[in-house]
Amino acid sequence: DQQVKQNSPSLSVQEGRISILNCDYTNSMFDYFLWYKKYPAEGPTFLISISSIKDKNEDGRFTVFLNKSAKHLSLHIVPSQPGDSAVYFCAADPGGSYIPTFGRGTSLIVHP
Amino acid sequence: IAGITQAPTSQILAAGRRMTLRCTQDMRHNAMYWYRQDLGLGLRLIHYSNTAGTTGKGEVPDGYSVSRANTDDFPLTLASAVPSQTSVYFCASRTSVGSHTQYFGPGTRLTVL
Repeated sequence: DQQVKQNSPSLSVQEGRISILNCDYTNSMFDYFLWYKKYPAEGPTFLISISSIKDKNEDGRFTVFLNKSAKHLSLHIVPSQPGDSAVYFCAADPGGSYIPTFGRGTSLIVHP
Repeated sequence: IAGITQAPTSQILAAGRRMTLRCTQDMRHNAMYWYRQDLGLGLRLIHYSNTAGTTGKGEVPDGYSVSRANTDDFPLTLASAVPSQTSVYFCASRTSVGSHTQYFGPGTRLTVL
């Protein structure tokens, strides 16, 4: 039973447009959420995070939105660039354990 | 500063053989983790260690063992490899309490025949 779900295995977006990657979770104990980006043949790298006490966190072109009542978060990339093409993993941390649960990832392709 | 290094980069292994994947970090992070990544299944936690001398089981620990003799090293051992352990393995570390961010190594691609 997946506690963190990324229901879109892939997403294709044109350069300059907005990319929206979605993530749903079922465990109400999760209180910290992270997005990681992974290029082929490399390890994942941290992108952006959000605490459950917030509903939005922004870092340059990347914004994460959290809707706790819906147990849903989304990553917005504006504007999308070809270098953003990668697999994006959503991860959720329950309070105090620092042992995250990862989603299965969404492969983003940004084409010129 | 290298961050996290993993060795080997890739390995082909006969079923039944013993294999140790190495992971070393130079960031003095307390917590370390081993994940496997399989197509369509994302990152699944195998074992973790919150500090030197302690280890814990993750989501998929069967067939794997770990040790944490010191802060820097966190080797993962497959005692008797099976084809279902064919995967890409990532080691990660995290600094002290208060930070949720994990830092990942470049991965080891393991094929068990």
